[in-house]
Amino acid sequence: DTAVSQTPKYLVTQMGNDKSIKCEQNLGHDTMYWYKQDSKKFLKIMFSYNNKELIINETVPNRFSPKSPDKAHLNLHINSLELGDSAVYFCASSQLAGGEGALHFGNGTRLTVT
Amino acid sequence: SQQGEEDPQALSIQEGENATMNCSYKTSINNLQWYRQNSGRGLVHLILIRSNEREKHSGRLRVTLDTSKKSSSLLITASRAADTASYFCATDAASGGSYIPTFGRGTSLIVHP
Repeated sequence: DTAVSQTPKYLVTQMGNDKSIKCEQNLGHDTMYWYKQDSKKFLKIMFSYNNKELIINETVPNRFSPKSPDKAHLNLHINSLELGDSAVYFCASSQLAGGEGALHFGNGTRLTVT
Repeated sequence: SQQGEEDPQALSIQEGENATMNCSYKTSINNLQWYRQNSGRGLVHLILIRSNEREKHSGRLRVTLDTSKKSSSLLITASRAADTASYFCATDAASGGSYIPTFGRGTSLIVHP
């Protein structure tokens, strides 16, 4: 009965490859997010979707493309992976948009690009 | 851009002691939230305090907010080894007409048994 689940938990791949991370929430929330946490634990917002529509797209390279087939899913596809993409990626959801409600996080996907 | 900054970056205490972490932010906010992150896990929401509130309690947690100083503090009383984690504050920073929860780098707390 995991609320926000991400797969895979670990992802090791080579530079130039394309990979996807899946995220699903069973909380009935309308808003979902992707955050990137670097090695110094700084957590940076990448995207935010509300009811399947993109509402926030921070300065993220075009190689990152989120896809929301329905409001319970927000997947992240990354093209042409680079060394600097190595990080932990967190999916989150909230009942309310605009920073009003508590975020529920998945347990992260540790991406290592070699 | 980074909105919240936690201080100190690291804190090491003995079980039973109190732990105080601070958060400073730059722009006006509607609310501020505190989260905990255990090693290898996602963040877990602890408490939300609104801009018109000055203090809030939840169990052993006490959060204060001073909007004039643009700062907040999280106090954990009678700490336990299980409180060992990183603690983050998040503010609802404006971004392109929307508000998003924006985090700092966190405070790493170690509670020694």
